[in-house]
Amino acid sequence: ETGVTQSPTHLIKTRGQQVTLRCSSQSGHNTVSWYQQALGQGPQFIFQYYREEENGRGNFPPRFSGLQFPNYSSELNVNALELDDSALYLCASSLVGDEQFFGPGTRLTVL
Amino acid sequence: QKEVEQNSGPLSVPEGAIASLNCTYSDRVSQSFFWYRQYSGKSPELIMSIYSNGDKEDGRFTAQLNKASQYVSLLIRDSQPSDSATYLCAVNSQAGTALIFGKGTTLSVSS
Repeated sequence: ETGVTQSPTHLIKTRGQQVTLRCSSQSGHNTVSWYQQALGQGPQFIFQYYREEENGRGNFPPRFSGLQFPNYSSELNVNALELDDSALYLCASSLVGDEQFFGPGTRLTVL
Repeated sequence: QKEVEQNSGPLSVPEGAIASLNCTYSDRVSQSFFWYRQYSGKSPELIMSIYSNGDKEDGRFTAQLNKASQYVSLLIRDSQPSDSATYLCAVNSQAGTALIFGKGTTLSVSS
């Protein structure tokens, strides 16, 4: 059974740029959730995708957007990067409403 | 605003002792409760889930839930230095999508 994978591991961008982060869900899971974790904080929910549709969204601006593909993998896109977007971005896969299992994360640094 | 509260710690215990980690939550209709362990620089790892009042044991870990008091706890028996990590309490939102996390409690087990 393959676990949750994310790419890239680390990323450095400058303010105003755009970034795409990728996630492959665990085998058998149909739901992907994205979280942002700032240093010293708990993860904060960005949004969730179920069967290629957004299935809930946290308090993040529209410049945070996402996609889910037919194979249940997912992308997180962030436009117009700001310094405060520097964080660990976590993808979690699950069956809808069930336990969520996290990938290794992508560390984004915005300069 | 749905909130999950944890003492940030650090909680320091000697090897072999019982570590007790506590969490309170504000949303009375929450149904699912989780404990994640996060080592420094790594992603959260699910260690326990609990859905009904009472205790749930898994090896050295016991999760306790009291919905009337809106309180969840995690006991770690025979603590080991390898248990030194940040422990995150998470609560599933009413909609069953987002996990709401506390800021985490840092546990240090000294040998």
